[in-house]
Amino acid sequence: DTGVSQNPRHKITKRGQNVTFRCDPISEHNRLYWYRQTLGQGPEFLTYFQNEAQLEKSRLLSDRFSAERPKGSFSTLEIQRTEQGDSAMYLCATDAGNSGNTIYFGEGSWLTVV
Amino acid sequence: RKEVEQDPGPFNVPEGATVAFNCTYSNSASQSFFWYRQDCRKEPKLLMSVYSSGNEDGRFTAQLNRASQYISLLIRDSKLSDSATYLCVVNMATSYDKVIFGPGTSLSVIP
Repeated sequence: DTGVSQNPRHKITKRGQNVTFRCDPISEHNRLYWYRQTLGQGPEFLTYFQNEAQLEKSRLLSDRFSAERPKGSFSTLEIQRTEQGDSAMYLCATDAGNSGNTIYFGEGSWLTVV
Repeated sequence: RKEVEQDPGPFNVPEGATVAFNCTYSNSASQSFFWYRQDCRKEPKLLMSVYSSGNEDGRFTAQLNRASQYISLLIRDSKLSDSATYLCVVNMATSYDKVIFGPGTSLSVIP
């Protein structure tokens, strides 16, 4: 048990619908990352928060994607107007904020867009 | 050039074999390095950190060559349970930390 909690674990949605994923980090971890992973590929960086500040967004994060971390604790990742290409596992990871710290992953949220 | 590149694999090796994975990174300012292991349809889990002096954990040895921007992972006496995807991870540490994963190298250990 890594302590990073993600939900829902699985989501099947119709194309065009909006979906939201939530990540609850390990309590003392101030850094939070979102990644997307498709089968056979490594996790691709999407965005990064330090406390409540979103410090970087990947160009992979189109305007249909938005992430928030309003109080510097849990984070949400919303995908609007889903497309079949959004089908992937969305991974949340956190660490304690010092370079070299271990990054802990949640179990991921699987999205299937039909 | 991708920020982190790995041997494409897959590697299929018999039990007991020694196998080595290679990884290169593009940002010379990168500060910390890791190997993660990922089982099919599971989240990545830390296997070991990689230090400049090299480090060993049982059958696993990791090496870092900063001059060549190269990281390696050696697995000795492979077990069936070592079958997984091995991800090279680099903390780019620009103005803030940015953790980038390589595409992974798949290992299958065959009886």
